[in-house]
Amino acid sequence: KAGVTQTPRYLIKTRGQQVTLSCSPISGHRSVSWYQQTPGQGLQFLFEYFSETQRNKGNFPGRFSGRQFSNSRSEMNVSTLELGDSALYLCASSSPGNDYYGYTFGSGTRLTVV
Amino acid sequence: DQQVKQNSPSLSVQEGRISILNCDYTNSMFDYFLWYKKYPAEGPTFLISISSIKDKNEDGRFTVFLNKSAKHLSLHIVPSQPGDSAVYFCAARGNQGGKLIFGQGTELSVKP
Repeated sequence: KAGVTQTPRYLIKTRGQQVTLSCSPISGHRSVSWYQQTPGQGLQFLFEYFSETQRNKGNFPGRFSGRQFSNSRSEMNVSTLELGDSALYLCASSSPGNDYYGYTFGSGTRLTVV
Repeated sequence: DQQVKQNSPSLSVQEGRISILNCDYTNSMFDYFLWYKKYPAEGPTFLISISSIKDKNEDGRFTVFLNKSAKHLSLHIVPSQPGDSAVYFCAARGNQGGKLIFGQGTELSVKP
């Protein structure tokens, strides 16, 4: 079955612009989580959605937002981009009760802010 | 506050030897611990996990050890192979489900 799909794979934006990233989870998975990866910081949790509701939120400014649609697809939006937002943004999906395997990650969207 | 810490940013081992990657955590309420492996330009992939009620889990060349009193877990890879060269992340999850909290990662290099 298809894995987690993230689009686009690469993105270059100018400081001050906004960006929307998309994530399609594994079919049947209703939970989608977003992480930011930067060198030395590991994977920083952004937010988690389950059945269109935000269930958890990390310590990121309000410029970072997300949503989930009825088909479980999710988007995250970053407004007023800053140079420090340059990172790999990873989306992961999971199925309730699948504790052993945790998340299945997509390949990520590499965002570069110039 | 970093609840999951991997204090070694990098590790280099010789092919055929043992690789030991370490991870410390601060929250005693974590109930599941997982290791992920990440190659450049790819997302992390699940490697092995352990429940907090166990102290060891083995899967082929990979073994994870959990020491709850020390709040420490480790991943052993025996024997190490060049294809194991990647960044390894440990992660922990609270007992009410939900988000995984990741460490900073350790870059493993296995030299032929």
